[in-house]
Amino acid sequence: GNSVTQMEGPVTLSEEAFLTINCTYTATGYPSLFWYVQYPGEGLQLLLKATKADDKGSNKGFEATYRKETTSFHLEKGSVQVSDSAVYFCALPGNSGNTPLVFGKGTRLSVIA
Amino acid sequence: GAVVSQHPSRVICKSGTSVKIECRSLDFQATTMFWYRQFPKQSLMLMATSNEGSKATYEQGVEKDKFLINHASLTLSTLTVTSAHPEDSSFYICSARDLQRGEKLFFGSGTQLSVL
Repeated sequence: GNSVTQMEGPVTLSEEAFLTINCTYTATGYPSLFWYVQYPGEGLQLLLKATKADDKGSNKGFEATYRKETTSFHLEKGSVQVSDSAVYFCALPGNSGNTPLVFGKGTRLSVIA
Repeated sequence: GAVVSQHPSRVICKSGTSVKIECRSLDFQATTMFWYRQFPKQSLMLMATSNEGSKATYEQGVEKDKFLINHASLTLSTLTVTSAHPEDSSFYICSARDLQRGEKLFFGSGTQLSVL
């Protein structure tokens, strides 16, 4: 079935540093790909998504490009802020009819001032 | 925006007791809700799909008699961990699909269950 492999953290960066969180996937066909974020004490929320190959999802300064050649969907941000400290999850639909999502293990990001 | 409320956020219980976790969609009707479980440093694993007015659909390996799911209304699904044991200690999180918003998924804040 569909699966996703995400780099493990934790990742600690200084403010304004460049961020990359790697995500690769295994899937049948070309499903939509997602990045979710969980801020401390809050539920998971959708950060960005891409629905087809070569699409770039972007939100809040974060970007991820759907690359079918490398089956990757790496999350990047040029200049992180303290407020970006959170856990980030890469995800894609599962194989069942209701298509709930399959998540990576999550990467905890801590940004220090 | 839409909100999914999950309660309690943290519970500690004795082995053998039952624990009920509630998941509510606050401003939309959710005919389908999902229950996930997350072990430390592991991914979220789907446990079951909760359908309003019908029996839940459990993933392979999930004991339906141990993890009772009730979805009696369009805004509430409950997960009851019956006769909890230490190995049931985990982080449980629910999500609900809002059909009016392109089937977007919204997540609760999760419940950390610790069984002593």
